[in-house]
Amino acid sequence: GEDVEQSLFLSVREGDSSVINCTYTDSSSTYLYWYKQEPGAGLQLLTYIFSNMDMKQDQRLTVLLNKKDKHLSLRIADTQTGDSAIYFCAERNTGFQKLVFGTGTRLLVSP
Amino acid sequence: DTGVSQNPRHKITKRGQNVTFRCDPISEHNRLYWYRQTLGQGPEFLTYFQNEAQLEKSRLLSDRFSAERPKGSFSTLEIQRTEQGDSAMYLCASSPGLDKRETQYFGPGTRLLVL
Repeated sequence: GEDVEQSLFLSVREGDSSVINCTYTDSSSTYLYWYKQEPGAGLQLLTYIFSNMDMKQDQRLTVLLNKKDKHLSLRIADTQTGDSAIYFCAERNTGFQKLVFGTGTRLLVSP
Repeated sequence: DTGVSQNPRHKITKRGQNVTFRCDPISEHNRLYWYRQTLGQGPEFLTYFQNEAQLEKSRLLSDRFSAERPKGSFSTLEIQRTEQGDSAMYLCASSPGLDKRETQYFGPGTRLLVL
């Protein structure tokens, strides 16, 4: 079945890099996404990667995909206090529309 | 582009009452999705529409829940005979519906509290 797991909490200092990790179980996962959620708000799409890619970079964000280990990571360079939020990893299979989310990683950035 | 909008943003109701939520997708998006998010968890898929057709439903969507998208634009989610366990954030998302590689864009959510 589908299962997506994330560590619950990450604390970093402003200016450092943050790395948020995610593992998934479904080998037919084809599309993988990262969303950000601020308190009381909906989800903001940050970036996504398709399973035929190993890496994707978008400004301060770098996504790495290890298909063999079913491991996805999101690196945020030069982390700012405004990056403090909950980050969700999500996967979607070809032929289906539903996203399967992890439980989220709460990122706390201290000055 | 105004993004996905949801109304109301907050709803407090008593157990046993019916509630209805509305979602307006991004203009010209053919696909519309409903998710439920409980405290400390990630969103869970409930159902999705391609235009006015409801194509996928989760087993989470009990017979007390019904969703409609009558004209292929806005959608409503109704919960009948609410229970305390229905307390959650109800999130709506939309996507263009043109390509298998597309992404879903979420609205701000409706937070429901059942007393």
